[in-house]
Amino acid sequence: EPEVTQTPSHQVTQMGQEVILRCVPISNHLYFYWYRQILGQKVEFLVSFYNNEISEKSEIFDDQFSVERPDGSNFTLKIRSTKLEDSAMYFCASSGIRTGGEQYFGPGTRLTVT
Amino acid sequence: RKEVEQDPGPFNVPEGATVAFNCTYSNSASQSFFWYRQDCRKEPKLLMSVYSSGNEDGRFTAQLNRASQYISLLIRDSKLSDSATYLCVVNGYDYKLSFGAGTTVTVRA
Repeated sequence: EPEVTQTPSHQVTQMGQEVILRCVPISNHLYFYWYRQILGQKVEFLVSFYNNEISEKSEIFDDQFSVERPDGSNFTLKIRSTKLEDSAMYFCASSGIRTGGEQYFGPGTRLTVT
Repeated sequence: RKEVEQDPGPFNVPEGATVAFNCTYSNSASQSFFWYRQDCRKEPKLLMSVYSSGNEDGRFTAQLNRASQYISLLIRDSKLSDSATYLCVVNGYDYKLSFGAGTTVTVRA
């Protein structure tokens, strides 16, 4: 069964550093997403991406964040100048269609900012 | 008002019992509805989509009431492996999923 994969599983970084989280969506999916979940809180939408551009982003997704699809398989989330409050689980998801489409999540990257 | 609200539980039930819980959503224009389950510190996993006519998948039954803007999930013949947090998820005419905070279910032997 095809699945979304993410690397690394756990990333520890110092405040102010840049991190890149990587995702490989399901191969025939066209829509890609990043979500985050702060420990003990609900899953929150960050950004959606289609046809090599951002489709929608939340208030959380400010200039500190960027996404990229550098090749035909990877989808990355870059966080510049990390802050303590960026510590969270970051989930990548993909879907085959836009609205109404079921989204499938990767196992997540746990980001710890110290 | 929160976009998606759920009773956090916990629902603590014996094996074999039936457990049911609801969620409500605020956006009447919402188009798609799902139940995901999440195990501790793991990713959300799609349990089932929820259709207007209601639908069943094995021991799981989901219902949608658009007029009252609530969604329900019923689990019959609970198994130990059903212990998880169940996330009510809603999608509108946009790309994002809106998640509830989850309902915790613990099935005891």
